[in-house]
Amino acid sequence: DAGVTQSPTHLIKTRGQQVTLRCSPISGHKSVSWYQQVLGQGPQFIFQYYEKEERGRGNFPDRFSARQFPNYSSELNVNALLLGDSALYLCASSLRGVNTEAFFGQGTRLTVV
Amino acid sequence: SQQGEEDPQALSIQEGENATMNCSYKTSINNLQWYRQNSGRGLVHLILIRSNEREKHSGRLRVTLDTSKKSSSLLITASRAADTASYFCATVLYTDKLIFGTGTRLQVFP
Repeated sequence: DAGVTQSPTHLIKTRGQQVTLRCSPISGHKSVSWYQQVLGQGPQFIFQYYEKEERGRGNFPDRFSARQFPNYSSELNVNALLLGDSALYLCASSLRGVNTEAFFGQGTRLTVV
Repeated sequence: SQQGEEDPQALSIQEGENATMNCSYKTSINNLQWYRQNSGRGLVHLILIRSNEREKHSGRLRVTLDTSKKSSSLLITASRAADTASYFCATVLYTDKLIFGTGTRLQVFP
């Protein structure tokens, strides 16, 4: 079975631009979460979606938005990019529930110049 | 914001030695999980310990949890060069949202 897939793997954008990152969860997983990992730190929670509805949002500005599609894939959008948005963006899928493990994709490395 | 801190920030050992890393967190939890990350890429789930458990084993991994001290430890026995990675603890409260610690970078020399 395919794991969590993310695209693209690397991306370079200019300040002020907009970016869309994509994630396909493991088949059967209806919960998708997004995390931002700045170099040298642990991942920080951005969003969680379950059954196409937002179920949680981290402490990120409104420039960050996401959605989940009927096939449970997800997109993360970031508008008006800042240099500080440069990071590894990780997508994780899981079965719904508190005591479940998360399966992570390999991430998208975003560089804002 | 990060849930807590991991200690040490970095650890270097020889193959065959044991590696112990500690995690402290700030709030109540439902469970605590440990993840490994190789070369800044995706994270791999290692083990999950529930708040009513005190110790759990998986292969060469041993995890303990002390909810009264809000701390956990991960022990890797008989380390191998392939264990070189960053290790993160993550706590879960009400949903499957993970709150990660700051991580420990482990280097295992052949």
